[in-house]
Amino acid sequence: GAGVSQSPRYKVAKRGQDVALRCDPISGHVSLFWYQQALGQGPEFLTYFQNEAQLDKSGLPSDRFFAERPEGSVSTLKIQRTQQEDSAVYLCASSPRTAPPYNEQFFGPGTRLTVL
Amino acid sequence: ILNVEQSPQSLHVQEGDSTNFTCSFPSSNFYALHWYRWETAKSPEALFVMTLNGDEKKKGRISATLNTKEGYSYLYIKGSQPEDSATYLCAFGGGKLIFGQGTELSVKP
Repeated sequence: GAGVSQSPRYKVAKRGQDVALRCDPISGHVSLFWYQQALGQGPEFLTYFQNEAQLDKSGLPSDRFFAERPEGSVSTLKIQRTQQEDSAVYLCASSPRTAPPYNEQFFGPGTRLTVL
Repeated sequence: ILNVEQSPQSLHVQEGDSTNFTCSFPSSNFYALHWYRWETAKSPEALFVMTLNGDEKKKGRISATLNTKEGYSYLYIKGSQPEDSATYLCAFGGGKLIFGQGTELSVKP
């Protein structure tokens, strides 16, 4: 069956440019997570959606980062006025469950963003 | 601040060697411990979700143990093969996951 897909897979942006990263979760999955993995680090939590509601955005590093999931399926992570420190792999994960503790997450392949 | 540590950072072994990695995590407020395998240019693949102290799980040549009281988990690979080359990530939590920095395994034929 279809897994989580992300697009684009690779994105090169000039500093100051706006970018939009898309995540298509597994059909029917209620929960959706975004993570950011900087070079040499483990993935770090950015934000969490339950259906269309953004329940946790505590990991978004600045107000230049914005995420939405308007119909409770596809999600978009937008970064405005990109900076070099935004260069990272952005991972999306979905889960059929809504509550911890047994929340197995299924990951997409990530979008590698390079800001020049 | 919750911290998840993995060791070693990288490991180079010969085909046929057995190997193991460590993940340490906070021993309080435990929900679950996840192991993922992440090959370059692919999606992280879930290996195990472990929830109970003393849990032992196995998938082919890969197995994992869990000690929630002391806050560690071991991942073992028996008879490593070149296709096992990947980054192995552990993550702590039930909702948003807190990841270690990963162990990069390279298996030479």
